[in-house]
Amino acid sequence: SQTIHQWPATLVQPVGSPLSLECTVEGTSNPNLYWYRQAAGRGLQLLFYSVGIGQISSEVPQNLSASRPQDRQFILSSKKLLLSDSGFYLCACTRSYEQYFGPGTRLTVT
Amino acid sequence: GNSVTQMEGPVTLSEEAFLTINCTYTATGYPSLFWYVQYPGEGLQLLLKATKADDKGSNKGFEATYRKETTSFHLEKGSVQVSDSAVYFCALSVSGGSYIPTFGRGTSLIVHP
Repeated sequence: SQTIHQWPATLVQPVGSPLSLECTVEGTSNPNLYWYRQAAGRGLQLLFYSVGIGQISSEVPQNLSASRPQDRQFILSSKKLLLSDSGFYLCACTRSYEQYFGPGTRLTVT
Repeated sequence: GNSVTQMEGPVTLSEEAFLTINCTYTATGYPSLFWYVQYPGEGLQLLLKATKADDKGSNKGFEATYRKETTSFHLEKGSVQVSDSAVYFCALSVSGGSYIPTFGRGTSLIVHP
């Protein structure tokens, strides 16, 4: 079965600083990969998804970007963080229409 | 388009009480239905699923039945425990559709001893 790793687990960054969150997947090949954000409340906001290397679809226009340099690696980035970027970031993959989630990264922008 | 509607929370219960969390959906196509659970500070975990009408998904004492006639997939548990305190998400995916599942907004469950 697949395992999703995310790091770092927690991050505190000042406004205007860059961001790089990494997600790697084990136990499957050519997965569909997703970045979600949960801000304050409970709802999931889909940010990006990818069906293959170099193929990124953005769901919400904002100052974040994503890249998929390898089959099982998915990176979320920003050049300049905003206060509103604070939240819990989740990476996920799909298998047989089921989603599997990583443990998440708690980002606090100060 | 596809959508999932869950009852607003939080749902607050005493230990051993009966739980129902309502979930209804709209979908273009024939969806598979899911319940995910998120414990504090963690990612979501698949709790149970059903892939066709009248199927019952079950796990850890939770169950939900795929009701096509009422487009519903309500989550139930006969006797909740404090350890069931979490946020529960109803979701759907449509075979042959987009790669993007549709999630409800989540329902927070708080169980008191």
